[in-house]
Amino acid sequence: GDSVTQMEGPVTLSEEAFLTINCTYTATGYPSLFWYVQYPGEGLQLLLKATKADDKGSNKGFEATYRKETTSFHLEKGSVQVSDSAVYFCALSLYGNKLVFGAGTILRVKS
Amino acid sequence: GAVVSQHPSRVICKSGTSVKIECRSLDFQATTMFWYRQFPKQSLMLMATSNEGSKATYEQGVEKDKFLINHASLTLSTLTVTSAHPEDSSFYICSARSSGYTDTQYFGPGTRLTVL
Repeated sequence: GDSVTQMEGPVTLSEEAFLTINCTYTATGYPSLFWYVQYPGEGLQLLLKATKADDKGSNKGFEATYRKETTSFHLEKGSVQVSDSAVYFCALSLYGNKLVFGAGTILRVKS
Repeated sequence: GAVVSQHPSRVICKSGTSVKIECRSLDFQATTMFWYRQFPKQSLMLMATSNEGSKATYEQGVEKDKFLINHASLTLSTLTVTSAHPEDSSFYICSARSSGYTDTQYFGPGTRLTVL
Protein backbone atom coordinates (compact mmCIF):
# COMPACT_ATOMS: atom_id res chain seq x y z
CA GLY A 1 0.00 0.00 0.00
CA ASP A 2 0.89 3.66 -0.08
CA SER A 3 3.23 4.79 2.66
CA VAL A 4 5.53 7.56 3.83
CA THR A 5 8.78 7.10 5.73
CA GLN A 6 10.44 9.92 7.61
CA MET A 7 13.74 10.08 9.40
CA GLU A 8 13.41 9.41 13.09
CA GLY A 9 13.84 12.21 15.52
CA PRO A 10 14.27 14.11 17.56
CA VAL A 11 16.52 16.29 15.47
CA THR A 12 18.37 18.79 17.65
CA LEU A 13 20.11 21.75 16.03
CA SER A 14 21.63 25.03 17.08
CA GLU A 15 20.11 28.23 15.81
CA GLU A 16 21.19 29.14 12.25
CA ALA A 17 22.15 25.55 11.45
CA PHE A 18 21.13 23.85 8.20
CA LEU A 19 18.15 21.53 8.41
CA THR A 20 17.34 18.43 6.42
CA ILE A 21 14.50 16.07 7.27
CA ASN A 22 14.38 13.09 4.95
CA CYS A 23 11.12 11.78 3.54
CA THR A 24 10.58 8.95 1.07
CA TYR A 25 7.36 7.53 -0.20
CA THR A 26 5.81 4.49 -1.82
CA ALA A 27 2.75 5.00 -3.98
CA THR A 28 0.87 3.13 -6.67
CA GLY A 29 0.37 6.25 -8.76
CA TYR A 30 1.66 9.82 -8.93
CA PRO A 31 0.89 11.44 -5.60
CA SER A 32 0.88 15.01 -4.43
CA LEU A 33 3.36 15.52 -1.62
CA PHE A 34 3.06 17.71 1.44
CA TRP A 35 4.90 18.90 4.49
CA TYR A 36 2.80 19.85 7.51
CA VAL A 37 4.06 21.39 10.75
CA GLN A 38 2.51 20.97 14.18
CA TYR A 39 3.37 23.26 17.06
CA PRO A 40 2.77 22.03 20.63
CA GLY A 41 -0.91 21.64 21.46
CA GLU A 42 -2.05 22.76 18.02
CA GLY A 43 -3.38 21.24 14.82
CA LEU A 44 -1.41 20.87 11.62
CA GLN A 45 -0.47 23.72 9.35
CA LEU A 46 0.33 23.22 5.70
CA LEU A 47 3.95 24.21 5.22
CA LEU A 48 4.44 23.45 1.54
CA LYS A 49 3.35 21.11 -1.23
CA ALA A 50 4.33 19.81 -4.66
CA THR A 51 2.04 18.14 -7.12
CA LYS A 52 4.34 16.71 -9.78
CA ALA A 53 7.88 15.57 -10.40
CA ASP A 54 10.60 18.24 -10.12
CA ASP A 55 8.19 20.72 -8.51
CA LYS A 56 9.72 22.65 -5.64
CA GLY A 57 7.51 23.72 -2.79
CA SER A 58 8.71 26.58 -0.62
CA ASN A 59 7.44 28.63 2.29
CA LYS A 60 8.97 30.56 5.19
CA GLY A 61 12.49 29.59 4.13
CA PHE A 62 11.65 25.89 3.92
CA GLU A 63 11.99 24.03 0.63
CA ALA A 64 11.32 20.55 -0.68
CA THR A 65 11.68 19.15 -4.19
CA TYR A 66 9.55 16.32 -5.57
CA ARG A 67 12.07 13.72 -6.76
CA LYS A 68 10.31 10.99 -8.67
CA GLU A 69 13.48 9.05 -9.45
CA THR A 70 14.32 8.65 -5.78
CA THR A 71 10.70 8.84 -4.53
CA SER A 72 11.74 11.50 -2.07
CA PHE A 73 10.57 14.86 -0.77
CA HIS A 74 13.22 16.00 1.69
CA LEU A 75 12.57 19.14 3.71
CA GLU A 76 15.39 21.70 3.95
CA LYS A 77 15.99 25.07 5.52
CA GLY A 78 19.21 27.00 5.34
CA SER A 79 19.11 28.61 8.77
CA VAL A 80 16.74 27.40 11.48
CA GLN A 81 15.38 29.50 14.30
CA VAL A 82 14.19 28.55 17.76
CA SER A 83 10.65 29.28 16.58
CA ASP A 84 10.95 26.43 14.05
CA SER A 85 10.87 23.91 16.89
CA ALA A 86 7.87 21.71 16.14
CA VAL A 87 6.86 18.35 14.73
CA TYR A 88 7.10 18.01 10.96
CA PHE A 89 4.95 15.56 9.02
CA CYS A 90 5.52 14.44 5.46
CA ALA A 91 2.40 13.21 3.67
CA LEU A 92 1.10 12.10 0.31
CA SER A 93 -2.28 12.17 -1.36
CA LEU A 94 -3.36 10.28 -4.45
CA TYR A 95 -5.97 11.81 -6.75
CA GLY A 96 -7.38 14.01 -4.02
CA ASN A 97 -8.03 11.15 -1.65
CA LYS A 98 -7.03 10.80 1.96
CA LEU A 99 -3.66 11.89 3.24
CA VAL A 100 -1.13 9.27 4.21
CA PHE A 101 1.21 10.61 6.88
CA GLY A 102 4.68 9.73 7.95
CA ALA A 103 5.37 9.21 11.64
CA GLY A 104 6.50 12.79 12.17
CA THR A 105 9.91 14.21 13.08
CA ILE A 106 10.46 16.32 16.16
CA LEU A 107 12.74 19.29 15.57
CA ARG A 108 14.35 21.07 18.50
CA VAL A 109 16.34 24.22 17.89
CA LYS A 110 18.54 25.55 20.66
CA SER A 111 19.59 29.17 21.01
CA GLY B 1 -7.81 32.19 3.75
CA ALA B 2 -8.52 28.48 4.29
CA VAL B 3 -9.19 28.68 8.00
CA VAL B 4 -10.69 25.77 9.89
CA SER B 5 -11.90 26.09 13.46
CA GLN B 6 -12.77 23.49 16.07
CA HIS B 7 -14.87 23.82 19.17
CA PRO B 8 -14.25 23.17 21.96
CA SER B 9 -10.48 23.25 22.16
CA ARG B 10 -10.53 21.24 25.38
CA VAL B 11 -13.21 19.18 27.03
CA ILE B 12 -13.28 17.06 30.16
CA CYS B 13 -16.19 14.73 30.69
CA LYS B 14 -17.26 11.86 32.88
CA SER B 15 -17.21 8.29 31.69
CA GLY B 16 -20.49 7.32 30.01
CA THR B 17 -21.39 10.76 28.74
CA SER B 18 -21.37 11.93 25.13
CA VAL B 19 -19.27 14.74 23.74
CA LYS B 20 -19.78 16.68 20.53
CA ILE B 21 -16.92 18.35 18.67
CA GLU B 22 -17.57 20.86 15.92
CA CYS B 23 -15.40 21.53 12.89
CA ARG B 24 -16.07 24.58 10.74
CA SER B 25 -14.53 25.90 7.57
CA LEU B 26 -14.66 29.67 8.05
CA ASP B 27 -13.88 31.09 4.65
CA PHE B 28 -14.49 28.33 2.15
CA GLN B 29 -16.96 25.60 1.40
CA ALA B 30 -15.77 22.16 2.37
CA THR B 31 -17.38 19.33 0.46
CA THR B 32 -15.19 16.86 2.30
CA MET B 33 -14.07 16.84 5.91
CA PHE B 34 -11.81 14.38 7.65
CA TRP B 35 -11.55 13.38 11.29
CA TYR B 36 -8.27 12.24 12.77
CA ARG B 37 -7.16 11.01 16.14
CA GLN B 38 -3.67 11.61 17.45
CA PHE B 39 -2.10 9.80 20.38
CA PRO B 40 0.78 11.42 22.29
CA LYS B 41 3.95 11.65 20.23
CA GLN B 42 2.39 9.75 17.36
CA SER B 43 1.18 10.50 13.89
CA LEU B 44 -2.41 11.14 12.89
CA MET B 45 -4.80 8.25 12.45
CA LEU B 46 -7.62 8.86 9.99
CA MET B 47 -10.93 7.90 11.58
CA ALA B 48 -13.42 8.82 8.89
CA THR B 49 -14.13 10.86 5.80
CA SER B 50 -17.36 12.79 5.56
CA ASN B 51 -18.91 14.29 2.48
CA GLU B 52 -21.60 16.93 2.79
CA GLY B 53 -25.05 15.43 2.72
CA SER B 54 -24.00 11.81 2.80
CA LYS B 55 -22.94 9.20 5.32
CA ALA B 56 -19.39 9.19 6.56
CA THR B 57 -16.93 6.55 5.44
CA TYR B 58 -15.14 5.03 8.40
CA GLU B 59 -11.68 3.52 8.41
CA GLN B 60 -11.24 -0.07 9.36
CA GLY B 61 -11.40 -0.61 13.10
CA VAL B 62 -13.26 2.62 13.88
CA GLU B 63 -16.64 2.04 15.54
CA LYS B 64 -19.38 3.83 13.65
CA ASP B 65 -21.81 3.74 16.53
CA LYS B 66 -19.29 5.18 18.94
CA PHE B 67 -17.96 7.98 16.76
CA LEU B 68 -20.95 9.59 15.08
CA ILE B 69 -20.13 11.98 12.28
CA ASN B 70 -22.51 14.44 10.71
CA HIS B 71 -21.71 16.74 7.79
CA ALA B 72 -24.94 18.61 7.35
CA SER B 73 -23.63 21.70 5.60
CA LEU B 74 -20.70 22.79 3.48
CA THR B 75 -19.10 24.52 6.44
CA LEU B 76 -19.83 22.28 9.40
CA SER B 77 -19.06 18.73 10.44
CA THR B 78 -19.54 17.29 13.90
CA LEU B 79 -18.00 14.33 15.67
CA THR B 80 -19.91 12.92 18.63
CA VAL B 81 -18.12 10.52 20.92
CA THR B 82 -20.93 8.50 22.49
CA SER B 83 -20.69 6.86 25.89
CA ALA B 84 -17.13 8.04 26.26
CA HIS B 85 -14.61 5.99 28.22
CA PRO B 86 -11.11 6.88 29.44
CA GLU B 87 -9.56 5.06 26.46
CA ASP B 88 -11.29 7.58 24.19
CA SER B 89 -9.16 10.35 25.69
CA SER B 90 -7.11 11.76 22.86
CA PHE B 91 -6.44 14.72 20.60
CA TYR B 92 -9.02 14.90 17.82
CA ILE B 93 -8.23 16.92 14.73
CA CYS B 94 -10.45 17.70 11.77
CA SER B 95 -9.47 18.85 8.32
CA ALA B 96 -11.42 20.22 5.40
CA ARG B 97 -10.98 20.12 1.66
CA SER B 98 -12.68 22.64 -0.56
CA SER B 99 -15.03 21.84 -3.41
CA GLY B 100 -13.63 21.21 -6.84
CA TYR B 101 -10.56 19.16 -7.55
CA THR B 102 -7.98 19.87 -4.93
CA ASP B 103 -5.80 17.65 -2.83
CA THR B 104 -4.94 20.14 -0.09
CA GLN B 105 -6.49 19.66 3.33
CA TYR B 106 -6.62 22.45 5.89
CA PHE B 107 -6.54 21.43 9.50
CA GLY B 108 -8.31 22.68 12.57
CA PRO B 109 -6.44 23.41 15.81
CA GLY B 110 -7.59 20.20 17.46
CA THR B 111 -9.69 19.26 20.47
CA ARG B 112 -8.19 17.67 23.56
CA LEU B 113 -10.70 15.22 25.05
CA THR B 114 -10.15 13.87 28.55
CA VAL B 115 -12.58 11.28 29.87
CA LEU B 116 -12.47 10.75 33.63
